This record gives sequence, structure tokens and C-alpha cells, in this order.
Amino acid sequence: DQQVKQNSPSLSVQEGRISILNCDYTNSMFDYFLWYKKYPAEGPTFLISISSIKDKNEDGRFTVFLNKSAKHLSLHIVPSQPGDSAVYFCAASAESGGSNYKLTFGKGTLLTVNP
Amino acid sequence: DAGITQSPRHKVTETGTPVTLRCHQTENHRYMYWYRQDPGHGLRLIHYSYGVKDTDKGEVSDGYSVSRSKTEDFLLTLESATSSQTSVYFCAISRLPNYGYTFGSGTRLTVV
Repeated sequence: DQQVKQNSPSLSVQEGRISILNCDYTNSMFDYFLWYKKYPAEGPTFLISISSIKDKNEDGRFTVFLNKSAKHLSLHIVPSQPGDSAVYFCAASAESGGSNYKLTFGKGTLLTVNP
Repeated sequence: DAGITQSPRHKVTETGTPVTLRCHQTENHRYMYWYRQDPGHGLRLIHYSYGVKDTDKGEVSDGYSVSRSKTEDFLLTLESATSSQTSVYFCAISRLPNYGYTFGSGTRLTVV
């Protein structure tokens, strides 16, 4: 049973526009959420995270929004750049119970930013 | 970059042979993980370790075993490789559980 879902396998946007990547989760124990970016032939790298006590976290062009009641989070990239083209993974964890010691990842969304 | 190295980077092996992948870290992190990445499946946890000699299974552990005899090394063994184990394998480390991981560059394994 998939606890972290990224329902869009791919997304294509124009350079300079906003990219919005979505993620849904089913486990109500999750209280910490992360986004990772992965380029081909490289390991995933940490991008941004958010704790369940917040509903927004911003880091430069990247903002993550968390809607706990809907069990939904999104990553906004503004403005999008060609170098942002990568696979983005959503991940979640629970500090107590549920998923000790490990993150649960979604299947990923391939973002393509066209010049 | 965090000190995490996976070896080998690429390997081709025959069905039925045992294969061992190595993850080595110089960060002295307690937690280490093995994931596999496959199209349409994302990152799936194979096994993880929460200390020397302390390991546990992930969601896709069948056909795999692990060992961690010292903090810096986490070995993943395919006991008898099958074509379904053709994949890209990633090791990850973390200082604390449930928070950000640092991933290695991956091992591309092909079983023919």
C-alpha cells in the first residue's frame, strides 16, 4: 500500500514559469516531509523540508506548502530554470511510531523545464 | 559533499551468482540504508541499519541480505542474483533517524 503518492509521473513547464509538484500521503503519523531532486546517473540530493507544525517553508526559488487536513504537500519552483529539470521525490517520516528509522518515498515526478 | 562511497559503480553479473555491493561512509553516521530505484516504482527500501550489527528489513528485502560489522561499512548481498534484481542501487546515510538522508552516487547492476 503506497503511503506517499506522486500521481503525476511527469510535468513540463516553460522557463521562467512556475512549476508545481504535488504529493499526497495516507499515513496520519507522518510529521516531517522532504523533497529530493535527482539528476540522471547521480544520487538524490536533499532540496527542502517541512515539519508538520508549519504550513509553509521557503528557500530561495523553492517553497513547500503543507495542508495537513488534506494530507497534501506541494513544491513550488519560481521561476523555473532549465537546470531544474530532474526527477523530484517526495518523502515522509514519523518521529514516533509508524515508520521508525526510515523515510518513505513517492515514485517521483520528472520535471522538464523547456528553454 | 558528505563522505559516502558506493562500489562498484557498475556491474554485470550472471543469473544465479552471488553479488555484494559496498557502501562506505566517513561521516560516522549511525543510520545506513539500501534502496533500489526502478522505473515506475521510485525508491524502495531494501534493508537498513541503525547501528553496528543492528539491521532490519525494508519493503523489498526478499533475495537480499545485509551486514554491518563496523560503523563505516554497510554491505548488500544478492544471494543468487536474478534478472528482477537488475536495478540501480543507492546507499544512504543519516545522523538522525527520519530526517534528511545523504545518498551515494549509486550502483547500476545488470543481471543477465
